[in-house]
Amino acid sequence: SYELTQPPSVSVSPGQTASITCSGDNLGYKYVSWYQQKPGQSPVMVIYQDTKRPSGIPERFSGSNSGNTVTLTISGTQALDEADYYCQVWDNSTVVFGGGTKLTVL
Amino acid sequence: EVQLVESGGNLVQPGGSLRLSCAASGFTFSTHWMQWVRQPPGKGLVWVSRIKSDGSSTSYADSVKGRFTISRDNAKNTLYLQMNSLRAEDTAVYYCARESSSWLDYWGQGNLVTVSS
Repeated sequence: SYELTQPPSVSVSPGQTASITCSGDNLGYKYVSWYQQKPGQSPVMVIYQDTKRPSGIPERFSGSNSGNTVTLTISGTQALDEADYYCQVWDNSTVVFGGGTKLTVL
Repeated sequence: EVQLVESGGNLVQPGGSLRLSCAASGFTFSTHWMQWVRQPPGKGLVWVSRIKSDGSSTSYADSVKGRFTISRDNAKNTLYLQMNSLRAEDTAVYYCARESSSWLDYWGQGNLVTVSS
């Protein structure tokens, strides 16, 4: 079965840029979505189709897809961005999530 | 405003059954594929099942195939997940989510299912 690999944790200082990676075989040929989940809350989509941002998501969230690795970038990271982030793709008509990355803003 | 409200979660013994519901509002339910995703305590998101807009096609994760059944009632704008032969490893918060093209754009608040004796 298809697997997506994310780093378990990423730390960033307030105002700096956070980069969260997601890797998988031939990932460049798949559309990737990213979800933010804060403690006790439901996931919220922050990026879809690799680079698109839903309405209401701040411009500081951006996505890129290159080769076997995709990256969620948060520019000017704020304390309220502290959350778990999951990448997601489709494989053989099923949904696959990465293991998640805990972003700590300190 | 799109809303997805799950219900039906509970404590159930191993081998038991439970049915989750997800009431949808704020959009044309009958035109969207829908999904169930679960999250074991302290762990990540895990896809469970999906169903076509008219209910004619379904798919399941291997871990639940043969035990869980996804269905929908478009007249009632409601999605269901019938869970049979429940195991301890099925303990999780279950989310329903709306599918749009290749992403899940709206999620319910989640419903806890606990399988324990």
